[in-house]
Amino acid sequence: GIQVEQSPPDLILQEGANSTLRCNFSDSVNNLQWFHQNPWGQLINLFYIPSGTKQNGRLSATTVATERYSLLYISSSQTTDSGVYFCAVHVSGTYKYIFGTGTRLKVLA
Amino acid sequence: EPEVTQTPSHQVTQMGQEVILRCVPISNHLYFYWYRQILGQKVEFLVSFYNNEISEKSEIFDDQFSVERPDGSNFTLKIRSTKLEDSAMYFCATARADSSPLHFGNGTRLTVT
Repeated sequence: GIQVEQSPPDLILQEGANSTLRCNFSDSVNNLQWFHQNPWGQLINLFYIPSGTKQNGRLSATTVATERYSLLYISSSQTTDSGVYFCAVHVSGTYKYIFGTGTRLKVLA
Repeated sequence: EPEVTQTPSHQVTQMGQEVILRCVPISNHLYFYWYRQILGQKVEFLVSFYNNEISEKSEIFDDQFSVERPDGSNFTLKIRSTKLEDSAMYFCATARADSSPLHFGNGTRLTVT
């Protein structure tokens, strides 16, 4: 089956720093979403981005489907950005999204 | 913004007991999913459901698991005889169409003792 790998697995930042999270997938996908899992365990939808670039405030995402990767950029990080970031891909020809391995982010004040 | 609602938020049960987890989808969504997350691990696909049928299921979704939409509104996940290793957060997700964005509920934390 498809492999969805995220890097780095863990990241510690000082407040105000910028970061780039990566999601690599091993097969063709129809769609891709980025989620933030907050400390209470809720999965918050950040982006639905099958291709191209989108921006929402301090966050932006880029997906290059032909090269099988997506990037999530966080600028001017805040402590509330802490948590785990997951990408999830909709696998072509199936009825499911598969989640990546996650990046655990901690932002220090 | 419409939300996916899951109940209960927490459930503690004894090994061997049956549990039913409930989900109320967003009203115009037609595709329903259950995912599981064991503490500290990644989110795993269990099953997808459309038009009152299972569309796809994972190896985790064995004969102990079942899903249904009994009354046209709730979407349920039943575990017939719980095991210790079923302890996890269970998430319901819904989508308007296949491969449309998933919308997740807040999850049910299941603890099997």
